[in-house]
Amino acid sequence: AQSVTQPDIHITVSEGASLELRCNYSYGATPYLFWYVQSPGQGLQLLLKYFSGDTLVQGIKGFEAEFKRSQSSFNLRKPSVHWSDAAEYFCAVGASGGYQKVTFGIGTKLQVIP
Amino acid sequence: DAGVIQSPRHEVTEMGQEVTLRCKPISGHNSLFWYRQTMMRGLELLIYFNNNVPIDDSGMPEDRFSAKMPNASFSTLKIQPSEPRDSAVYFCASSLEGRGGDKREQFFGPGTRLTVL
Repeated sequence: AQSVTQPDIHITVSEGASLELRCNYSYGATPYLFWYVQSPGQGLQLLLKYFSGDTLVQGIKGFEAEFKRSQSSFNLRKPSVHWSDAAEYFCAVGASGGYQKVTFGIGTKLQVIP
Repeated sequence: DAGVIQSPRHEVTEMGQEVTLRCKPISGHNSLFWYRQTMMRGLELLIYFNNNVPIDDSGMPEDRFSAKMPNASFSTLKIQPSEPRDSAVYFCASSLEGRGGDKREQFFGPGTRLTVL
């Protein structure tokens, strides 16, 4: 069965600083990988996804993520954080075969300070 | 497209009462998911439908929970009787699978915040 680990429950960064949110997955084959963002009181919105091809994936709102098979990681990055990026971020892994069960990580809550 | 629609957005009920949550998926999507989100357990998949058929209900906590999808545009999640430990945010999500599109990308509704007193 697939699983996702987000080791950082809570991260605080200063506005304008760079950001990296960590995600490690466990899956026996090539996974489908996602990052979602959830603002308070809202549903989850897809930031970016990796299915195949280029391992550096660009998403919305200036985010990017890199798939590293050797490290079983899919870390999310942004070069300069804005106050509006404060939210909770979820990494997710989906099976590449069979039905599309997607397993979500526990989430990382991002706080942005002025 | 209006996106995934859930109702009600907030529900407060008393222990023992029946609760019904509703979801309208995105038109044309063939897969629907119900999730529960709590601080302690994060986001948990409760049940997955494909073409209106329940495929995986292994996440449904117990017999008090039931879900139906009578047609491609409507699904319900029912809790009967409700208990305080059922208090959570319940999300519905839909996606399109198996038709050459970006499969496995799920689109989430705004959620229903359930409080059982």
